[in-house]
Amino acid sequence: DIQMTQSPSTLSASVGDRVTITCRASQSISSWLAWYQQKPGKAPKLLIQKASSLESGVPSRFSGSGSGTEFTLTISSLQPDDFATYYCQQYNSYWTFGQGTKVEIK
Amino acid sequence: EVQLVESGGGLVKPGRSLRLSCTASGFTFGDYEMSWFRQAPGKGLEWVGYIRSKTYGGTTEYAASVKGRFSISRDDSKSIAYLQMNSLKTEDTAVYYCTRESGDGSNDNWGQGTLVTVSS
Repeated sequence: DIQMTQSPSTLSASVGDRVTITCRASQSISSWLAWYQQKPGKAPKLLIQKASSLESGVPSRFSGSGSGTEFTLTISSLQPDDFATYYCQQYNSYWTFGQGTKVEIK
Repeated sequence: EVQLVESGGGLVKPGRSLRLSCTASGFTFGDYEMSWFRQAPGKGLEWVGYIRSKTYGGTTEYAASVKGRFSISRDDSKSIAYLQMNSLKTEDTAVYYCTRESGDGSNDNWGQGTLVTVSS
């Protein structure tokens, strides 16, 4: 099984901050990586697929990069609506998620 | 607009069975692979299983944690995917989500989830 490790687990930030979340795969997954945003009591929402392709309707302040085993999600200027938990997901071999990164208000 | 609506969750005793449904609308259901995920209270996301479209044989795959106990099926005429859960354990307690698999394997649409609680 492919393991996904996200860091940090919790991130405290202010509106306007640049935020970066890292995800590491236990083996190469090429670019088969997605990022999701989840708010309390809601289903996850797909933000980015294939490591760097922004889903339609997702604000351009979100971006993804990486390939192989190292990936990042960047929010260029954090907005009030962005306080949520973020998950990376590999889909190179079935599906596994990182443990999540909670972005909270500083 | 793509919509996925799960139903069938509830409280069930350990060892019993439950069937969840996922009713789809807004797209040609039969053309898509469908997956089930779950999230235990306060925990992360876990893949449960998926079913290919009939074009690819309609075959299924399951996570090791549910293999042999859970099964997925689909009725393309009704645009419904099912998750049959047998021999339920307390550790199966979770919100269960139905998802549509996008062309590349990510999950581009999710239902609102249905809570399954396994407890005596």
